[in-house]
Amino acid sequence: DAKTTQPNSMESNEEEPVHLPCNHSTISGTDYIHWYRQLPSQGPEYVIHGLTSNVNNRMASLAIAEDRKSSTLILHRATLRDAAVYYCILRAMYSGGGADGLTFGKGTHLIIQP
Amino acid sequence: ETGVTQTPRHLVMGMTNKKSLKCEQHLGHNAMYWYKQSAKKPLELMFVYSLEERVENNSVPSRFSPECPNSSHLFLHLHTLQPEDSALYLCASSQAGTSGAYEQYFGPGTRLTVT
Repeated sequence: DAKTTQPNSMESNEEEPVHLPCNHSTISGTDYIHWYRQLPSQGPEYVIHGLTSNVNNRMASLAIAEDRKSSTLILHRATLRDAAVYYCILRAMYSGGGADGLTFGKGTHLIIQP
Repeated sequence: ETGVTQTPRHLVMGMTNKKSLKCEQHLGHNAMYWYKQSAKKPLELMFVYSLEERVENNSVPSRFSPECPNSSHLFLHLHTLQPEDSALYLCASSQAGTSGAYEQYFGPGTRLTVT
């Protein structure tokens, strides 16, 4: 998987929007952009993924730059339960054997202030 | 049961013991994964199974031995572990195929302590 760069930590206030950036300047044309998060003492949790277009789901929105070299995960209204480590991961469209593990970096530690 | 379950949730074992970690997914997926999360380190991929065949072995020592008897179950057999193997072991599952398009679902993990 191509490399991603995220800030080590970010802080936000409860009930405010949060924009988590990710740079992936070496992304290939067939790499998907995935976001996962890991709450304290839990396994990682899938958040959202996209290829070229912006994506929305019940948890978050994913905004993908036109050149695809960066993306932003948007939490529209952060709650204390959103405090977690957020990981931006690139995944190749196809892999040998039909399955490919995730390559986790250090992620962004999101702190939510009440 | 829903999602991905792992048992036991906590395990303490001596270096000469043999134990097994179990993972079960109830999502109808056909790919399963083992990851290791050591303190202060990123999650590391250990093994990948797709359609019950091992397709990736990420240079893991032979004291860790995976087994995938069917698409719903995954085991990690442990023997003669070292204290540095103490970590959170996470299981995940996904659809196989166009792997980049599919998300992975993780279990809660087994916290392993080797004494």
